[in-house]
Amino acid sequence: DTGVSQDPRHKITKRGQNVTFRCDPISEHNRLYWYRQTLGQGPEFLTYFQNEAQLEKSRLLSDRFSAERPKGSFSTLEIQRTEQGDSAMYLCASSPGHRISGNTIYFGEGSWLTVV
Amino acid sequence: DAKTTQPPSMDCAEGRAANLPCNHSTISGNEYVYWYRQIHSQGPQYIIHGLKNNETNEMASLIITEDRKSSTLILPHATLRDTAVYYCIVRENPGEKLTFGTGTRLTIIP
Repeated sequence: DTGVSQDPRHKITKRGQNVTFRCDPISEHNRLYWYRQTLGQGPEFLTYFQNEAQLEKSRLLSDRFSAERPKGSFSTLEIQRTEQGDSAMYLCASSPGHRISGNTIYFGEGSWLTVV
Repeated sequence: DAKTTQPPSMDCAEGRAANLPCNHSTISGNEYVYWYRQIHSQGPQYIIHGLKNNETNEMASLIITEDRKSSTLILPHATLRDTAVYYCIVRENPGEKLTFGTGTRLTIIP
């Protein structure tokens, strides 16, 4: 079973450095979502794609954050000039995106970021 | 903002049925009730969803009241591996993102 895959699973970086996370969704899933989760809180929506189009961005997604899904398959989330407040788990999720197959969203295991 | 209200925590004895309540008094006619759970340090896991009728799958049962203002997730024979945070989410299907609240932390006691 090929679920949503995220890489790396853990990243420790120094403040001010750039980091990039990769997400491979479930095959043939059109929609791809990014969430962020800090300790003790539920996941918070960041952005989502329908194929290669980025359709919605949360106000949480500051200008230091950029997400891409260039060919409508895998996606990357880049954080520039990291700050300690960026320390969190970054979750990727995907869904079929159409009524016939349903639209249940499935999550990956997350990428943990620690900014020191 | 999350459209649901859940108790912050619950305990359940191993082997017993765990009943997790959720209030969603402002749910609209085209919104589904979804349940996810999150085991420590892992991504959220889909459990079940429903619109009006009760639903059952291999993981759980979902009971939705007739007025749809509340629901209950039932884990019929809880095991220690069911210890997790359980999220009840109201969502229009398809299309909308999931908006998580703080969920219910369920602890299964040996």
